[in-house]
Amino acid sequence: SQQGEEDPQALSIQEGENATMNCSYKTSINNLQWYRQNSGRGLVHLILIRSNEREKHSGRLRVTLDTSKKSSSLLITASRAADTASYFCATDTQGGSEKLVFGKGTKLTVNP
Amino acid sequence: KAGVTQTPRYLIKTRGQQVTLSCSPISGHRSVSWYQQTPGQGLQFLFEYFSETQRNKGNFPGRFSGRQFSNSRSEMNVSTLELGDSALYLCASSFVPRTNEKLFFGSGTQLSVL
Repeated sequence: SQQGEEDPQALSIQEGENATMNCSYKTSINNLQWYRQNSGRGLVHLILIRSNEREKHSGRLRVTLDTSKKSSSLLITASRAADTASYFCATDTQGGSEKLVFGKGTKLTVNP
Repeated sequence: KAGVTQTPRYLIKTRGQQVTLSCSPISGHRSVSWYQQTPGQGLQFLFEYFSETQRNKGNFPGRFSGRQFSNSRSEMNVSTLELGDSALYLCASSFVPRTNEKLFFGSGTQLSVL
């Protein structure tokens, strides 16, 4: 069963624009992670944010977490064609088993 | 340092057959998780192994099984294949099974059941 759900399902933008993807989840979490997947390949870890953190940055990536709204957002600034991929959030469950549950992902297309 | 290696990369089977997929984690990683990815259901957690013990299991029928060896390599087996088992099967490893550990994924095994 999905804990996190990404929105939108698909996003198409032009190179140089910013891309924002959102993740909503149902139950309280300890950690939330974002991953990227190029077509038909494995996932690559992007960033981890803990429940007591509100914002984290990594290069052109900015992740925010709002535990009161049970949501997170991933912002990619100055997007490039190479950012074209699917992006997934993964959450655990506070007090639950130690496993990550992934959402269905946002498919991002960056047009050159 | 070599990444997570999954073999085979592609597999075609017919209904009723069984299949075994292999995963070699990054050296030093002792936790291995398996996921099934389909367009309709997304990434579904199958199971997780740590030190040769299954620690977590997802909501899959008993036809799906796995094991982990003393060198941390893992295999998963699907018996009596059904058409709906067609999917990308992904393996991920980490040092320990904690959700504040990032997962390193292999490229997956694309299974087609005809």
